Amino acid sequence: QVRLQESGPRLVKPSETLFLTCSVSGASIYKDYWTWIRQPPGKGLEWIGYFHYNGNTNYNPSLTSRVTISVDRSKNEVSLRIFSVTAADTAVYYCARGAYDSGSYYADFWGQGTQVTVSS
Amino acid sequence: DIRMTQFPSSLSASVGDRVTITCRASQSISGYLNWYQLKPGKAPKFLIYSASTLQSGVPLRFSGSGSGADFTLTISNLQPEDSATYYCQQSYSTPLTFGGGTKVEIE
Repeated sequence: QVRLQESGPRLVKPSETLFLTCSVSGASIYKDYWTWIRQPPGKGLEWIGYFHYNGNTNYNPSLTSRVTISVDRSKNEVSLRIFSVTAADTAVYYCARGAYDSGSYYADFWGQGTQVTVSS
Repeated sequence: DIRMTQFPSSLSASVGDRVTITCRASQSISGYLNWYQLKPGKAPKFLIYSASTLQSGVPLRFSGSGSGADFTLTISNLQPEDSATYYCQQSYSTPLTFGGGTKVEIE
């Protein structure tokens, strides 16, 4: 069974870097599309982007200048960095495993999510 | 970006009812449509991909249909554990985008 667990600071100051990690068990970090999705308070879901070990990385254009997704194969972890955060980056952040099947992408396993608040 | 619109934004129904949620894309997305179930404090659950293919382990009372720009998620014989918010998501092109969600409450 694939299990994902997000972790990181719950509070980040404006202009600083948000850094989250996602511990992966039951799946290989070398496969699949490791994805981050967020949900601002009272709003819907927003796809942040995904990373695949074959170099196929894709970010939401609304965030691409400030975001990096990477994997640490020694720890079987996926990480997310968002630079120069503002209050608009306050959200629940989800890590998910993505996959493509006949050209169709889906996120089949998700973590429980972690709340991050941007405030001084 | 492809805009996804869901309606209704919320509904209330009784156990045993059949409920239908609609998702409309701002352009044709062929059959590249997924559905997810979110409950507070829990890991979101993946329900359906390619508009109508049920993910393994998802109860058969869930079904999806549609193609092009209009899609539906139907829950037959609504159960108490189906109380959740449901989101559609298009995978036709990046950025991947989600609908605004439909909150299903059990009366």
